[in-house]
Amino acid sequence: ETGVTQSPTHLIKTRGQQVTLRCSSQSGHNTVSWYQQALGQGPQFIFQYYREEENGRGNFPPRFSGLQFPNYSSELNVNALELDDSALYLCASSPELGGETQYFGPGTRLLVL
Amino acid sequence: GESVGLHLPTLSVQEGDNSIINCAYSNSASDYFIWYKQESGKGPQFIIDIRSNMDKRQGQRVTVLLNKTVKHLSLQIAATQPGDSAVYFCAEKLAGTASKLTFGTGTRLQVTL
Repeated sequence: ETGVTQSPTHLIKTRGQQVTLRCSSQSGHNTVSWYQQALGQGPQFIFQYYREEENGRGNFPPRFSGLQFPNYSSELNVNALELDDSALYLCASSPELGGETQYFGPGTRLLVL
Repeated sequence: GESVGLHLPTLSVQEGDNSIINCAYSNSASDYFIWYKQESGKGPQFIIDIRSNMDKRQGQRVTVLLNKTVKHLSLQIAATQPGDSAVYFCAEKLAGTASKLTFGTGTRLQVTL
C-alpha cells in the first residue's frame, strides 16, 4: 500500500453532468498528479499540483480542472461529462516537486452513460 | 514526439523462469524511466526506476537495463512467481517537465504453473 487514498472507488454519471474526485496524498508528499487511464491503455497525464498551484498540464480540455488544499489533498473536477471520459482516474503523489518517483492510489472508476 | 511503446502485449512465462519485458522509447531527451506493475482493479505499483546516467539498476528479484543508444528499456524478473502476473508499464519523463510521466500501453505477464 502506498498511503495514497482516493474516493469514491466507483461512480456512474450521465452525459453533461459534473463530477468531483478526491485524493489524499501520502504523508509528507506535497506534489499530486492526476492521470486518466482508459481500458487497456496506459495512464495519461492530466495535470500536477504543487503547493496549491497547477504545475504542468497534459493534453486535456479546460473542463478538466483541479484543486490542491493546504494539507496537500487534491480534487479533480470534470464538467460536461462525455462518454469518452469513462476511465480509471488515478492520483499519484511524490515527496517533492521534481521528484520523479510517483506513488499511485487505487483509482476511481468513472462510468459515463 | 513523446511515445513509449512495448514490443509484446502479452508474455507467458513458466513459474521459476526469468521474465524479460521490453520497452522502446522515442525521445532522447528523457532523463528518467520507471517501471510499474498494475494488478487488476488496482493502481500502478512502483517496481524500479533508473536515471539516464545509468545503464543498469538492480532491486529485489528485478533488474532494469537502459540502452540509450537504441532507446530501449527492459525489466528482468528473476524466478518469476504467480504473484508477478499483472500488466507492466514502462514510463519516461522528459528532462525539465517536472513529474509528468508518459506511459506506454503495457505488457501483460502471465505466469503458468
